[in-house]
Amino acid sequence: DVKVTQSSRYLVKRTGEKVFLECVQDMDHENMFWYRQDPGLGLRLIYFSYDVKMKEKGDIPEGYSVSREKKERFSLILESASTNQTSMYLCASSFPGGLPYNEQFFGPGTRLTVL
Amino acid sequence: TQLLEQSPQFLSIQEGENLTVYCNSSSVFSSLQWYRQEPGEGPVLLVTVVTGGEVKKLKRLTFQFGDARKDSSLHITAAQPGDTGLYLCAGVKTGGFKTIFGAGTRLFVKA
Repeated sequence: DVKVTQSSRYLVKRTGEKVFLECVQDMDHENMFWYRQDPGLGLRLIYFSYDVKMKEKGDIPEGYSVSREKKERFSLILESASTNQTSMYLCASSFPGGLPYNEQFFGPGTRLTVL
Repeated sequence: TQLLEQSPQFLSIQEGENLTVYCNSSSVFSSLQWYRQEPGEGPVLLVTVVTGGEVKKLKRLTFQFGDARKDSSLHITAAQPGDTGLYLCAGVKTGGFKTIFGAGTRLFVKA
């Protein structure tokens, strides 16, 4: 059974804290993604990675960074959390090649609240 | 402004009713996907459509890709409470590589 796991389901942090969100996939996928999901806005791409140590900015990278040291793990870092980063964060992975048709497999999400 | 506009945003119906949700854009897509997301879970792919005019059926769900590849619809026949969830359309623009998601239609089916 394919799986994408995220380190926390719920997280509460204070403004200014450094926050790490971890994602692990067991499908040997090359591509990994971080999205945030907000009501009425859908899923917005923050960063994606197509290989170890490779990363590309998505639509809303400001205030975030990522790390991919191993193929199965993709971390999202909030350098200094702010209240406008309160959101649901979803990690996903997919195979490369034939990109338009690739199914993305999602983790269960981390609901982050920044106070 | 969403590149993929989904309508309606919210739908509450009785078990057994039929419904259609829509995904529209002014852009042409090389493919469109429909995902369902249940509370507390990530989205799960239901179907991918790639050819203009294509129709795919998944039990009581019928998916159609518009002839011009700018829109798609999802029709559910005889809805059941288990169909409750957030339905997201997602697509890759022709010539692009990134998947774009709509804001979703939240469906609630009452028993």
